[in-house]
This record gives sequence, C-alpha cells and structure tokens, in this order.
Amino acid sequence: EPEVTQTPSHQVTQMGQEVILRCVPISNHLYFYWYRQILGQKVEFLVSFYNNEISEKSEIFDDQFSVERPDGSNFTLKIRSTKLEDSAMYFCASSPRNEQFFGPGTRLTVL
Amino acid sequence: AQSVTQPDIHITVSEGASLELRCNYSYGATPYLFWYVQSPGQGLQLLLKYFSGDTLVQGIKGFEAEFKRSQSSFNLRKPSVHWSDAAEYFCAVGAGTGFQKLVFGTGTRLLVSP
Repeated sequence: EPEVTQTPSHQVTQMGQEVILRCVPISNHLYFYWYRQILGQKVEFLVSFYNNEISEKSEIFDDQFSVERPDGSNFTLKIRSTKLEDSAMYFCASSPRNEQFFGPGTRLTVL
Repeated sequence: AQSVTQPDIHITVSEGASLELRCNYSYGATPYLFWYVQSPGQGLQLLLKYFSGDTLVQGIKGFEAEFKRSQSSFNLRKPSVHWSDAAEYFCAVGAGTGFQKLVFGTGTRLLVSP
C-alpha cells in the first residue's frame, strides 16, 4: 500500500540554522500539506500546496518558512533561521482530494 | 472560525469494555469529519471519515462514528476495546478553501486497563 514518507526521522539543529524537511507524497496525489505538533499539544496546520503553489497558509507560516516541490516527487519544508519554539514534530500529508494521508513525521529539535 | 473540541483529555477503559470518545465541532457549512489515531512516536492513521450520506460510518479496527448535525458531534465508538487500542485519538474537521486544511481537536489519550 502506498504511503507518505518523510526524512529525516529526527533532526537536531542549532538555533539560527536552516533546516530542510523532506517528504515524498503518494504518487498520484494532488494536494500536499505540512502540519506541526509541539510536544503535548494538538496538531496545527501550517500550509497547503496545490498546482505548484501555496493554496493556504496559517499565521504560523511566516517568512521564515517556505515550501517547494522541486522535482515532481519530493515536497520540502524549509525553515530559514530556526528558533527554539520551532521544536516540534512536523508531519507531511498528501491527498487525492478529500482524504489526507500522513507521513510518520520528522522530529525537529532546536538547541 | 472552525474549531474542534474533545472534552476528555484522558479516558481509561477496561479491556473488553465499550468505548465512546466525544468530539464536537464548529463549522458553518457541511463539515468533512475525521478521526485519526496516533500511537506513541508514530504518525497519524486515519480511522474513519464522514463526508455525506449515512450518518453512521464504519472505520478500520472495529471503530465507528456517528455524525449528529443537531448536536454538532461526531463521537467515536468501539464495542469492545483491545489493549492495542491504547493511543491518542484526534478528531478533525476539514475546513478552508479548496480542499482543505484539517483543524484538529486537542486529542484524547486512551488508556486500556487489564
């Protein structure tokens, strides 16, 4: 059964550094998403992506964040200058239309 | 704005007993509703979904949920809980433009006692 994959599973970085989180969505899906979950809190929407552009973004998704689908298979989330409060689990999801399938997540730890 | 409320932070159920997890939503239009389960250190697995039609929906692992528009609820049920059901359960509503971001509740942690 096809699934969403994410790499790395765990990323540790220093405050101020750039990180790129990678996702491979399910191949025939058209909609892509990033969510995050700070430890002990609920899952929060960051951004949705369709037809090679951002379709919606939350207040969390400020200028430090960007997304890209560089080669038709990968979907990346870049954080330009990480802050301590960016420490969280980041989930990628993809959807053919109405149902979102989530990856296993990348745990980002900012020191 | 759309919101989801899961009033129970923790629930403990004996193995073999029935389970009901509560979910209330706030959304102006007809909602798309979902239940996801998250085991420790794992991602989110879709248990079931409601888009339209029959208000009682069946999902994986023996779970079902009932959409009640009059109560703005979408409670998750299982007739007999297994120890492997211990996990965090999230209710979510599909909201926003196009299709559609998910707005999640805060989750209910299910503990299963022997």
